[in-house]
Amino acid sequence: DGGITQSPKYLFRKEGQNVTLSCEQNLNHDAMYWYRQDPGQGLRLIYYSQIVNDFQKGDIAEGYSVSREKKESFPLTVTSAQKNPTAFYLCASTQRGAYNEQFFGPGTRLTVL
Amino acid sequence: SQQGEEDPQALSIQEGENATMNCSYKTSINNLQWYRQNSGRGLVHLILIRSNEREKHSGRLRVTLDTSKKSSSLLITASRAADTASYFCATDRASPSGGSNYKLTFGKGTLLTVNP
Repeated sequence: DGGITQSPKYLFRKEGQNVTLSCEQNLNHDAMYWYRQDPGQGLRLIYYSQIVNDFQKGDIAEGYSVSREKKESFPLTVTSAQKNPTAFYLCASTQRGAYNEQFFGPGTRLTVL
Repeated sequence: SQQGEEDPQALSIQEGENATMNCSYKTSINNLQWYRQNSGRGLVHLILIRSNEREKHSGRLRVTLDTSKKSSSLLITASRAADTASYFCATDRASPSGGSNYKLTFGKGTLLTVNP
């Protein structure tokens, strides 16, 4: 089964803690993305990576960090510097080409206690 | 920054009726895509229309694109209760060289409710 997986599905964090959200894909896609979704605000791009060992900031990168050491994996760390991290986080991937259709994981809901 | 803006924000119809959602955007695009999201789930790609296309069909879906007005519409015909979801447009902005810049910009979505 080809696809994109995210874990955990639900994550609770205490204030001041860093947490890491996992995203793995076996679609052999070059590019991977992290989005944040808040109610009524649609999706906002946090970070993206077009190739291994390279990534770029999106529109709301402050308080987040990523790595891309393997093609299949693009973990997102939500640091204590992110002041309002409670949100639904979505990972996506695409095979770079003419059309950039993105495939999404099921999401991780992060709640700060 | 939001590129696409969907209209209306919410739409409630009866099963069997058609549903039309609109999307407006601001900059030149390589293509425009529509996605569906069931509550609490990831997004699923529905249909893509390239900047040089005006209309595209896929099953009960019909998408139009008017680049002069920077707008698109998604029509779902003969709606079913299972079509209840949020629908998002996403624009693949044209890069300076004219191709994709491999980033999508999403609108805020239209919440469609189809009542049985």
